[in-house]
Amino acid sequence: AQRVTQPEKLLSVFKGAPVELKCNYSYSGSPELFWYVQYSRQRLQLLLRHISRESIKGFTADLNKGETSFHLKKPFAQEEDSAMYYCAFVSGGSNYKLTFGKGTLLTVNP
Amino acid sequence: DAGVIQSPRHEVTEMGQEVTLRCKPISGHNSLFWYRQTMMRGLELLIYFNNNVPIDDSGMPEDRFSAKMPNASFSTLKIQPSEPRDSAVYFCASNTDYGQPQHFGDGTRLSIL
Repeated sequence: AQRVTQPEKLLSVFKGAPVELKCNYSYSGSPELFWYVQYSRQRLQLLLRHISRESIKGFTADLNKGETSFHLKKPFAQEEDSAMYYCAFVSGGSNYKLTFGKGTLLTVNP
Repeated sequence: DAGVIQSPRHEVTEMGQEVTLRCKPISGHNSLFWYRQTMMRGLELLIYFNNNVPIDDSGMPEDRFSAKMPNASFSTLKIQPSEPRDSAVYFCASNTDYGQPQHFGDGTRLSIL
């Protein structure tokens, strides 16, 4: 079954500390992977996608096919990074369906 | 572009009433998605359309829920009759082709009393 697992529902760090939000996927093919972010009472918005291999707001994520992971990392967390983060993927074929993980609520404390 | 537009932003109604949520996707996007977000279950895909045709409605919880997309610029999600457990934030999203990021609306916060 196609599945995205975000093992941590809550993650709390202090400002300036490194942060890693974990994401593992279950899919035998080559998925398209995304991280979406939702700030308090705002719409979900795309943070980054693995094929772009870019850094957005200091965040990076590397696809590790061996470990089927797509962890989101930032070396120095900021208070404005506090938000809900969702890992998601689109499976291969003609299926447009985006499968989301259950999300991790990141809180960055001052 | 104004992005995906949803209405209303907030809806409070009594159980048993019919609720209609509306969505206008981004012009040129040919796929539209309806999601429900709750604290307990996170973000759940309810149904999605491609070129106005429902492709996968396996996430629709029960017959009380129905969705339509009469044209490329408009979709509705209807709940009839509504129940308190339907209280959630409902998001609409759209995208262009396979694998492209979805663009989300602001959501409708629905409260059924």
